[in-house]
Amino acid sequence: GENVEQHPSTLSVQEGDSAVIKCTYSDSASNYFPWYKQELGKRPQLIIDIRSNVGEKKDQRIAVTLNKTAKHFSLHITETQPEDSAVYFCAPSTSGTYKYIFGTGTRLKVLA
Amino acid sequence: EAQVTQNPRYLITVTGKKLTVTCSQNMNHEYMSWYRQDPGLGLRQIYYSMNVEVTDKGDVPEGYKVSRKEKRNFPLILESPSPNQTSLYFCASSFWGHNYEQYFGPGTRLTVT
Repeated sequence: GENVEQHPSTLSVQEGDSAVIKCTYSDSASNYFPWYKQELGKRPQLIIDIRSNVGEKKDQRIAVTLNKTAKHFSLHITETQPEDSAVYFCAPSTSGTYKYIFGTGTRLKVLA
Repeated sequence: EAQVTQNPRYLITVTGKKLTVTCSQNMNHEYMSWYRQDPGLGLRQIYYSMNVEVTDKGDVPEGYKVSRKEKRNFPLILESPSPNQTSLYFCASSFWGHNYEQYFGPGTRLTVT
């Protein structure tokens, strides 16, 4: 089955700095690559996603990059703000299968 | 308002006492799923449903049952809860298939003593 790993498990950055979280997967057929954000006590919510025919996607301060050859994709957050503090999950998936495997999460702390 | 709802939000029960956690969505989504979230383990899929009367096991189905008799509802049933099922449970829904955003419910915190 799919093996999904996220690194790092925790990340502390100063406000205004950039943060990068990496997700590595094992299924070469994976073709959908979302990132979810979960604030403390809240539900996970999609913040950005990318499909396998695209290498990079940006939405204001967040971006996702995909390296299909190496089987990893990354979440980039620039100019971090205190409200970016949360747990982030990746969940790569494959068309035609209906199981979802989430990464174990990365806790991001933005220090003011 | 488009949403996924779960009830109850909090539940404390005793070992062996059957319980049901309800999940409902108003977005006409075909796909629904249940996850449990435990510290350090992320979100693990329990069961999922591709449509009415079609369900299948996720990664951690032991001790759980589900049913999908109506498109909008996907209840999670614990026939005989045990302490190792103490966890935070999330229901989610999306349009059919992959490559679609999952919308999560607010979560149900279950404690089994």
